Amino acid sequence: DGGITQSPKYLFRKEGQNVTLSCEQNLNHDAMYWYRQDPGQGLRLIYYSQIVNDFQKGDIAEGYSVSREKKESFPLTVTSAQKNPTAFYLCASKGLLYGYTFGSGTRLTVV
Amino acid sequence: GENVEQHPSTLSVQEGDSAVIKCTYSDSASNYFPWYKQELGKGPQLIIDIRSNVGEKKDQRIAVTLNKTAKHFSLHITETQPEDSAVYFCAAIPTGTASKLTFGTGTRLQVTL
Repeated sequence: DGGITQSPKYLFRKEGQNVTLSCEQNLNHDAMYWYRQDPGQGLRLIYYSQIVNDFQKGDIAEGYSVSREKKESFPLTVTSAQKNPTAFYLCASKGLLYGYTFGSGTRLTVV
Repeated sequence: GENVEQHPSTLSVQEGDSAVIKCTYSDSASNYFPWYKQELGKGPQLIIDIRSNVGEKKDQRIAVTLNKTAKHFSLHITETQPEDSAVYFCAAIPTGTASKLTFGTGTRLQVTL
């Protein structure tokens, strides 16, 4: 089945530590996106990529980094510069048609 | 850029009643309006969408209406069931923005027995 896979489902980060969230899709979609969702809040765009080896900052990119070395993969690194990283992180992809397909999310907690 | 406002933020209805969620958008160039349902701890799932050349679209108990002149669109759920309880997000894509969706702030729908 085609889809988008995020891992891990739960992730714990210590103070000052970098962590990387995985996002893989087998939908052959060109565009991929990372969103952050805080409790009871909407979706805020962190980074997006329309094509391999290219990506742009979203509305809240500070403290985050991404790479897009392969069409299928768009990992997100939460760096120690992100002072409030506890949140639910969602990855999405988009093909030629308009709709986004979302992954099931990664819940990151600072311990 | 595009701005999408969504109301209400919470909505409680009795099973079998109808639920209506409303969104407004600011960019008249927006031409695609999807609705997503998010259950607790899961990613959003597309439930219905509408394009700007269509005024209404229906899929079983779910319908979406679009008023381009007023720049608002609405989600209608009829004969609500407990499994409809979730957070619903509207969104809009304006042309010329590399297909970045702008989301509303979400509506938490609670269907009570």
